[in-house]
Amino acid sequence: DSGVTQTPKHLITATGQRVTLRCSPRSGDLSVYWYQQSLDQGLQFLIQYYNGEERAKGNILERFSAQQFPDLHSELNLSSLELGDSALYFCASSVEASGRTGELFFGEGSRLTVL
Amino acid sequence: EDQVTQSPEALRLQEGESSSLNCSYTVSGLRGLFWYRQDPGKGPEFLFTLYSAGEEKEKERLKATLTKKESFLHITAPKPEDSATYLCAALSGGGADGLTFGKGTHLIIQP
Repeated sequence: DSGVTQTPKHLITATGQRVTLRCSPRSGDLSVYWYQQSLDQGLQFLIQYYNGEERAKGNILERFSAQQFPDLHSELNLSSLELGDSALYFCASSVEASGRTGELFFGEGSRLTVL
Repeated sequence: EDQVTQSPEALRLQEGESSSLNCSYTVSGLRGLFWYRQDPGKGPEFLFTLYSAGEEKEKERLKATLTKKESFLHITAPKPEDSATYLCAALSGGGADGLTFGKGTHLIIQP
């Protein structure tokens, strides 16, 4: 158990809809990362928050947004969903901001299926 | 653009049969090279960090090494419980602090 909690574990929705994925980081970790994993693309970095502030942005679509709340939990909002958004979405946390140790603790992911 | 390429995509070994997984990277200003293990239905689990060419790290039957262009994960006398997907990731100095992951090597160890 990594200590990172993600909900929901599975989500099925229709094209055009909006969903919110939730992540509680490991106790004491200030950084939260969101990754998308699909069979053809592998793990793709979406966005990072550190202590409530956006720190780094990767390949995140404009239809997607995220935030980190004062209690450090984070939410990833996906809107105007398309079939291609079907994937596993992982949250990871770490204690530091730079990510230089590379030691991220991943949750078990939220599997999104868009029909 | 930062790139991490892993080979082979899949590898099937007999228990006790040692081998190596390859990770080649093209990143601007490598700040770190990382190995993770991912079991089916789980999130990746951190294994190693390597910072500079020539560095080596070991954990049980696994040893990771780093050169200026690639990293290897050597698996010595593997057991069935070593079966997993092994992911390599790089952190560049190019800007974003997110890791660039390879697509992984799916390793199966047969008893």
